[in-house]
Amino acid sequence: SQKIEQNSEALNIQEGKTATLTCNYTNYSPAYLQWYRQDPGRGPVFLLLIRENEKEKRKERLKVTFDTTLKQSLFHITASQPADSATYLCALDSSNTGKLIFGQGTTLQVKP
Amino acid sequence: DTGVSQDPRHKITKRGQNVTFRCDPISEHNRLYWYRQTLGQGPEFLTYFQNEAQLEKSRLLSDRFSAERPKGSFSTLEIQRTEQGDSAMYLCASSLGQAPYNSPLHFGNGTRLTVT
Repeated sequence: SQKIEQNSEALNIQEGKTATLTCNYTNYSPAYLQWYRQDPGRGPVFLLLIRENEKEKRKERLKVTFDTTLKQSLFHITASQPADSATYLCALDSSNTGKLIFGQGTTLQVKP
Repeated sequence: DTGVSQDPRHKITKRGQNVTFRCDPISEHNRLYWYRQTLGQGPEFLTYFQNEAQLEKSRLLSDRFSAERPKGSFSTLEIQRTEQGDSAMYLCASSLGQAPYNSPLHFGNGTRLTVT
């Protein structure tokens, strides 16, 4: 069956460290993968998109990798700040129609 | 760009009642999506429209759920005969859907439904 899995346990790190979040998928062959941030009581906000032919994508302190052989994406936040505390969702398009399927999200807590 | 707006933000209803939610997408976006999210889970796809055409509806979606997008602008999601299991956050999103269909989704802040 098709699955998208993210670490269900919250990730707690110290301010200034690098946070690494994992997204694994099975029985999909997505052309691209997206990452979103969600704060409590709010809708998800788009962060980054990475295509299947891209190994890595960066935006400011954010970096995403995409390994289609391992069927895994890693999301890194460098020099983390308490304001980065949120839930991060990975999402992929299972049918190349623009309809996204989301993982369950990983909650990141950055402590000062 | 005023963003995606949803109304109401919160709705409390008694089991068995009907409820209707509204979503106003970003004006130039031709695609509109409805998702449902429960605590600790990611958004779960319900249905989506391209302009006024409903292109897909989740097989998990009960017949009690119906969505419309008249004239390809705003959309409504109606739940008939609500059940306690319908309690969730209902999220609407829009995008500029054109091949290769990889535009990000722009989400509203959702309608939180509580069925008592």
